[in-house]
Amino acid sequence: DGGITQSPKYLFRKEGQNVTLSCEQNLNHDAMYWYRQDPGQGLRLIYYSQIVNDFQKGDIAEGYSVSREKKESFPLTVTSAQKNPTAFYLCASSIGQGLATNEKLFFGSGTQLSVL
Amino acid sequence: AQSVTQPDIHITVSEGASLELRCNYSYGATPYLFWYVQSPGQGLQLLLKYFSGDTLVQGIKGFEAEFKRSQSSFNLRKPSVHWSDAAEYFCGSRDDKIIFGKGTRLHILP
Repeated sequence: DGGITQSPKYLFRKEGQNVTLSCEQNLNHDAMYWYRQDPGQGLRLIYYSQIVNDFQKGDIAEGYSVSREKKESFPLTVTSAQKNPTAFYLCASSIGQGLATNEKLFFGSGTQLSVL
Repeated sequence: AQSVTQPDIHITVSEGASLELRCNYSYGATPYLFWYVQSPGQGLQLLLKYFSGDTLVQGIKGFEAEFKRSQSSFNLRKPSVHWSDAAEYFCGSRDDKIIFGKGTRLHILP
């Protein structure tokens, strides 16, 4: 089945530690996104990538990093510089290529990150 | 700058009553707008989207939304809500990136 997979479902981070959240899609989508969800804050865009080997900062990129070495993978690293990392992280993908009429975000099931 | 505003954080309606969730956008060109729903313990599901054409858009689960350029709005409506509609609703827009409002949590009274 085609879809978007996030792992792990739950993740714990110690002080000063970097952690990486995985996001894989087999939908052959060009565009991928990372969102952070906090109660009352909605979905805030961290980073997005419209094509392999290219990505752009979203609205809250500080303390995060990403890579897009493969079309199907868009891992997110939460660095020690992110002082308030506890949140629910959602990865999404879309067909991209400016085909807005076909645009639809496919979301993963999310990763809950907590600080120990 | 591209932005989406959902003025209502919480909305409570009685089962069977009509519903309208507000969404305002800030956008320079023709907007691409959509609504997603997130039910408890479930992922996000697309309800409907607008890109061009008819400004009244029909979606799934009996929802519709109307694009009003003069008001920069894309409000979501349903004529009669069901208890299963209790969820969080997100309005969003697409330019070079896809962004969302802060969401409106819908509570249903029996």
